Amino acid sequence: GAGVSQSPSNKVTEKGKDVELRCDPISGHTALYWYRQSLGQGLEFLIYFQGNSAPDKSGLPSDRFSAERTGGSVSTLTIQRTQQEDSAVYLCASSEAAGRIDEQYFGPGTRLTVT
Amino acid sequence: EDQVTQSPEALRLQEGESSSLNCSYTVSGLRGLFWYRQDPGKGPEFLFTLYSAGEEKEKERLKATLTKKESFLHITAPKPEDSATYLCAVQDSGSWGKLQFGAGTQVVVTP
Repeated sequence: GAGVSQSPSNKVTEKGKDVELRCDPISGHTALYWYRQSLGQGLEFLIYFQGNSAPDKSGLPSDRFSAERTGGSVSTLTIQRTQQEDSAVYLCASSEAAGRIDEQYFGPGTRLTVT
Repeated sequence: EDQVTQSPEALRLQEGESSSLNCSYTVSGLRGLFWYRQDPGKGPEFLFTLYSAGEEKEKERLKATLTKKESFLHITAPKPEDSATYLCAVQDSGSWGKLQFGAGTQVVVTP
């Protein structure tokens, strides 16, 4: 079946502009996650959605970052007033549920470059 | 605070030369330890989940093992197509959903 998809695959933006990154999870998966992978660094957790529960936003680095998930499916990560340090690959993952079977399946990522 | 340390940072192997990657972790309580493979320009690909000390899982030339403080990923008789970055991640029992990743081990297998 179809895996996690993300768009765009690449995004170049000017410092100070807002960007929106989109994630389509695997059909039927109720949990959705966003991570960031900076050059030479490991994956960094950003935010997690599980069903209709309040999202876990503990990993968002600043209030310029926000995310929403509409209809329990598609998610959008928004970065306002982008800075050069926001340049990274943004990865989305989904899992069946945050229970025992909680392997996370990742999309291909969106490479964000802030100039 | 949870910590995940992978070693070595990079590993260069001849085809057929078996080796092991290490992932040491510190968590208050382990829900699961995960191994992923990541190819350049792609998202991580799920390999294994280990839940308790003593558990082992195998897939083709890969075997993952778990103790109370570390996990090993053994690569037996590797082939060039096993070249990738291998990532280890832990899920703390108090953190639903969130994975804490190590920095990864970059493996290159030459013919």
